[in-house]
Amino acid sequence: DGGITQSPKYLFRKEGQNVTLSCEQNLNHDAMYWYRQDPGQGLRLIYYSQIVNDFQKGDIAEGYSVSREKKESFPLTVTSAQKNPTAFYLCASKTGGGNQPQHFGDGTRLSIL
Amino acid sequence: AQKITQTQPGMFVQEKEAVTLDCTYDTSDQSYGLFWYKQPSSGEMIFLIYQGSYDEQNATEGRYSLNFQKARKSANLVISASQLGDSAMYFCAMREGGYNFNKFYFGSGTKLNVKP
Repeated sequence: DGGITQSPKYLFRKEGQNVTLSCEQNLNHDAMYWYRQDPGQGLRLIYYSQIVNDFQKGDIAEGYSVSREKKESFPLTVTSAQKNPTAFYLCASKTGGGNQPQHFGDGTRLSIL
Repeated sequence: AQKITQTQPGMFVQEKEAVTLDCTYDTSDQSYGLFWYKQPSSGEMIFLIYQGSYDEQNATEGRYSLNFQKARKSANLVISASQLGDSAMYFCAMREGGYNFNKFYFGSGTKLNVKP
């Protein structure tokens, strides 16, 4: 079955540590996204990539970094510069065409120890 | 300015009744798309319905329909015959045209509770 896989489902980070969230898709989609969701809130865009080796900052990119070396992979690193990283992180992908929706993974919950 | 505004943080509806979730948007583009997603408590995002800015008819998908009023810049979701399984967060989203046509803006969501 085609889909988006996010791992791990739960992640704990110590103060001062960088952590990397994985996102893999086998849908052959060109565009990929990372969103942050705080409790009871909407989705805020961190980074997105429309094509391999290219990505753009979203609304809350500070303290995060990404890479897009392969079409199917778009890992997100939460750096120690992100002072309040506890949140639910969602990865999404999309194929071309303006009427196409985003497809989402099941999310990663990140907590600070 | 907010691109997508959802003014109802929470709503209740009786099972089997219809409910309307409000969404207004802000764009100067002529070409854009509007999407609705459902997020159950488990966290996954489920695509419900799409409306293009040039579509003359309101979109429908089963029990979901989109009341598109272009002049008012509103794209309200109507759920007919509510079911207990409809209890969830609902998000309105917009894609604009131009170079960043793959960039989406989300509203803050409406939490719908369906009462038996």
